[in-house]
Amino acid sequence: DSGVTQTPKHLITATGQRVTLRCSPRSGDLSVYWYQQSLDQGLQFLIQYYNGEERAKGNILERFSAQQFPDLHSELNLSSLELGDSALYFCASSVSDSRQETQYFGPGTRLLVL
Amino acid sequence: AQTVTQSQPEMSVQEAETVTLSCTYDTSESNYYLFWYKQPPSRQMILVIRQEAYKQQNATENRFSVNFQKAAKSFSLKISDSQLGDTAMYFCAFRGAGGTSYGKLTFGQGTILTVHP
Repeated sequence: DSGVTQTPKHLITATGQRVTLRCSPRSGDLSVYWYQQSLDQGLQFLIQYYNGEERAKGNILERFSAQQFPDLHSELNLSSLELGDSALYFCASSVSDSRQETQYFGPGTRLLVL
Repeated sequence: AQTVTQSQPEMSVQEAETVTLSCTYDTSESNYYLFWYKQPPSRQMILVIRQEAYKQQNATENRFSVNFQKAAKSFSLKISDSQLGDTAMYFCAFRGAGGTSYGKLTFGQGTILTVHP
């Protein structure tokens, strides 16, 4: 158990809908990262937050947004869902935003868009 | 942009034997960090080992060790005394120490390792 929690574990929804994925980092960690794992794209970095502020952006679609709250939990919002958004979404956390920090991953949220 | 390549989609090994998983990467940065993550059937991503590019000594964690060849941009993982619980997908990952690679990990495509009894 990495100490990173993600809810829900599974999510089934329809095209065009909007969902919110939630992540709680390890105790003491200030930085949160979101990754998407899909069959065709592999594991891709989406976005990073540090202490409430956006730090880095990767291949995140405009239909997707994220935020980190004062209690340091983070939410990833996915809207106007398409079939291709079906994937495993991971949250990871690290102590700081220093590049030397190891990222610890949560168990993931499996999203299925029908 | 950094790229990470794992050229072995699948590998298999007998229990108690040794196996080596390959990884190469491409970067223009001189300082960076390399990782191996394990993803068992539960899909949890578990850190196996990490290597700092500025360290010449290869990292070791119990049965897991790496062969880091900076000039060749190669970072292989050796698993000794393989156990059934080592069956998983293994991902090689790169994290730059500067520039635009600020926070992200760049992953390879993964290698599925099966340990046979």
